[in-house]
Amino acid sequence: DQQVKQNSPSLSVQEGRISILNCDYTNSMFDYFLWYKKYPAEGPTFLISISSIKDKNEDGRFTVFLNKSAKHLSLHIVPSQPGDSAVYFCAASGSWGGATNKLIFGTGTLLAVQP
Amino acid sequence: DGGITQSPKYLFRKEGQNVTLSCEQNLNHDAMYWYRQDPGQGLRLIYYSQIVNDFQKGDIAEGYSVSREKKESFPLTVTSAQKNPTAFYLCASREEGRGPQHFGDGTRLSIL
Repeated sequence: DQQVKQNSPSLSVQEGRISILNCDYTNSMFDYFLWYKKYPAEGPTFLISISSIKDKNEDGRFTVFLNKSAKHLSLHIVPSQPGDSAVYFCAASGSWGGATNKLIFGTGTLLAVQP
Repeated sequence: DGGITQSPKYLFRKEGQNVTLSCEQNLNHDAMYWYRQDPGQGLRLIYYSQIVNDFQKGDIAEGYSVSREKKESFPLTVTSAQKNPTAFYLCASREEGRGPQHFGDGTRLSIL
């Protein structure tokens, strides 16, 4: 049962344009969401997070939007740069039971930014 | 530099062998985690530890074992009971609270 879904395995955008990566979740108990970027043969690097009390969080070129009613979050990258080409994972967690901060990951979206 | 070090980067295992993957962090983080990544899949949690001398099973703990004798170290043993051990293994740590987990660069394990 996939609780965190990234339905687009890949996305291609032109340099300078906006990249929008999407993520859906099913568990209404999730209250903390994160985006990670991953290059091949390296570990994921944390990009940005958002808690469920907010609907938007911005950090430089990266903005995460959260729509709780739709159980949907998205990562916007503006402007996109060739160095942004990587796999992007969304992850979610909730404070239930004793498993605080246990992260559930989506399957990732491969972003290719074309020069 | 503070960070998480995983070694070795590549590891080969013969059938029936146990192997141990190393994870060391100098971030003074309390919590540590082990994940497995397979092609086309997200990261799946194997084991985690929120404090020294304590650890819990994650979603796919069968065939794996861990120890947490020191705050900075969280080794993972892939036992012969793990029938499909070929994967990319990632270790992470997190400081107290709800902050993000930070990852090492992974160990790729292959079966000879």
